[in-house]
Amino acid sequence: GAVVSQHPSWVICKSGTSVKIECRSLDFQATTMFWYRQFPKQSLMLMATSNEGSKATYEQGVEKDKFLINHASLTLSTLTVTSAHPEDSSFYICSARVTQTYEQYFGPGTRLTVT
Amino acid sequence: SQQGEEDPQALSIQEGENATMNCSYKTSINNLQWYRQNSGRGLVHLILIRSNEREKHSGRLRVTLDTSKKSSSLLITASRAADTASYFCATARSGGSNYKLTFGKGTLLTVNP
Repeated sequence: GAVVSQHPSWVICKSGTSVKIECRSLDFQATTMFWYRQFPKQSLMLMATSNEGSKATYEQGVEKDKFLINHASLTLSTLTVTSAHPEDSSFYICSARVTQTYEQYFGPGTRLTVT
Repeated sequence: SQQGEEDPQALSIQEGENATMNCSYKTSINNLQWYRQNSGRGLVHLILIRSNEREKHSGRLRVTLDTSKKSSSLLITASRAADTASYFCATARSGGSNYKLTFGKGTLLTVNP
């Protein structure tokens, strides 16, 4: 199957700082990428849909000024958590969609801990 | 509200037994996908079944889809300890620019050696 990478795999930061997470599709081009958030023992919650060359579409209740998404190329999307707070601590997972088949492939996730 | 709901929430079986997980959803769909997630890891895509399909197989996995009942099942045959993971169904309501997956709460499968 297709491979999606995320970097970093884990990060610890202090309150008030910003953190950038990268998501790359390694062996295919993805015009659409998705960002999810997952709390312990819970399901994935879609945060936003990232389309290459255009603004991201955010789900209801997700602050677009806090979670900045940039999809600058067909293989790279970034999520920046700005002015992070402890409640932003979570597991963030990106996904890239294969346009022709609708299959989605997920990155390994990024564990963010805000102290 | 979440589209998919898995049943059961947790399932514990012995190695070699079959495991069946069910997923129900509420609205019409374009496709339904099953994923596996090991603890603290990303999701692994297992199978995609389209709304006009009724059954698909992949190795030891068998997925059925009943659109009249808005339900799907995932069967893992001859389970192994390595199958221990959380399994999620995810539904896509439509194709095109509005396409997005909505995940159920998942079934935690434990296969005891």
